[in-house]
Amino acid sequence: LAKTTQPISMDSYEGQEVNITCSHNNIATNDYITWYQQFPSQGPRFIIQGYKTKVTNEVASLFIPADRKSSTLSLPRVSLSDTAVYYCLVMPPSGGSYIPTFGRGTSLIVHP
Amino acid sequence: GAVVSQHPSRVICKSGTSVKIECRSLDFQATTMFWYRQFPKKSLMLMATSNEGSKATYEQGVEKDKFLINHASLTLSTLTVTSAHPEDSSFYICSARDTTAFIPGELFFGEGSRLTVL
Repeated sequence: LAKTTQPISMDSYEGQEVNITCSHNNIATNDYITWYQQFPSQGPRFIIQGYKTKVTNEVASLFIPADRKSSTLSLPRVSLSDTAVYYCLVMPPSGGSYIPTFGRGTSLIVHP
Repeated sequence: GAVVSQHPSRVICKSGTSVKIECRSLDFQATTMFWYRQFPKKSLMLMATSNEGSKATYEQGVEKDKFLINHASLTLSTLTVTSAHPEDSSFYICSARDTTAFIPGELFFGEGSRLTVL
């Protein structure tokens, strides 16, 4: 299993761009990188997934360098409602015996 | 999109009683579901992997006799906390993977169940 490492916490202000980096040095060739967001007392929810280069959706962008040993979740113009814990997971495509294990995640606090 | 539903969202019980938490995949079949436990300000801790039609696989340190998992159908897994004690109070979350999803192997999570044992 590819272990992930993220900063424990980050602070930002409304309107700023936030970049959260995750290290996954032993990512396997077929693995995808997926980011989840969790609010207190709720289950995590999917934000974005990528394999290489850049992926963008209506919520965030995901930057993955060529070696794929890290990835950066970019949240443009954050608001107070983006205060949450963000987790990155490395997972193979569907099938197999993958067991999703969470790291510590990054607690993002957005200030007014 | 695919949805995983958990019930109940909150439960309060007396010490010594048993509590059942249900996890349903509403629009996809899940041969495997995962159960997590989460303490305040901590990450999700995997408790067990629930396998449809067979025994669950428990993580090291998780008491299988206390946390009974049953995966009787392709859309339902249950976690029963037996003889609950106050230290079992926690937030329990289930997840399932839709192997037919457009996004490869996306995990879907239930809303979570807050258990409080008095």
